[in-house]
Amino acid sequence: NAGVTQTPKFQVLKTGQSMTLQCAQDMNHNSMYWYRQDPGMGLRLIYYSASEGTTDKGEVPNGYNVSRLNKREFSLRLESAAPSQTSVYFCASSRDNENQPQHFGDGTRLSIL
Amino acid sequence: GENVEQHPSTLSVQEGDSAVIKCTYSDSASNYFPWYKQELGKGPQLIIDIRSNVGEKKDQRIAVTLNKTAKHFSLHITETQPEDSAVYFCAASTGYALNFGKGTSLLVTP
Repeated sequence: NAGVTQTPKFQVLKTGQSMTLQCAQDMNHNSMYWYRQDPGMGLRLIYYSASEGTTDKGEVPNGYNVSRLNKREFSLRLESAAPSQTSVYFCASSRDNENQPQHFGDGTRLSIL
Repeated sequence: GENVEQHPSTLSVQEGDSAVIKCTYSDSASNYFPWYKQELGKGPQLIIDIRSNVGEKKDQRIAVTLNKTAKHFSLHITETQPEDSAVYFCAASTGYALNFGKGTSLLVTP
């Protein structure tokens, strides 16, 4: 049972390039989330998807787009990467979106030069 | 929005001692409080959680207490072991979003 799988694990981009981060879960969860983690800032919610077919903005959505491809997969896209988006990105899932434990992947470490 | 404060930012204890990490939250509507452990290069892993209708919860060496009136909750680790060394995060939720504290780096020395 893999849980939450994120690809790629590492990526280096140049400013202005685009990139899609992939996330898949095999727990039959309804809700999925994207967070970014920066030193000294904890984890901050970028976007979430309460259920298949819905997406909503979190605390820091600017510069990102998301797609809930199906129940299993939730992708995060950077259309024009900026150095301020250098971070570690975590995907998470939960059974539903009402006060349920969230299960995290091991992250994508993204550097933008 | 919800603001979660976590203290201390670093904590060093000797093996066998207890460790306590404290968090406060601002939104009285918060009703779910998980704690996560994050090891280097890994994602956060849920270790224990508590809901607002419960004052205390224990799981082996780990316990969490919640004081809704004062809006604070704490993680207690007893009989610490070197493998407890990691970064610990508290969080508070009113529904869909987890609002995280900034983390506590715990070091357990043999």
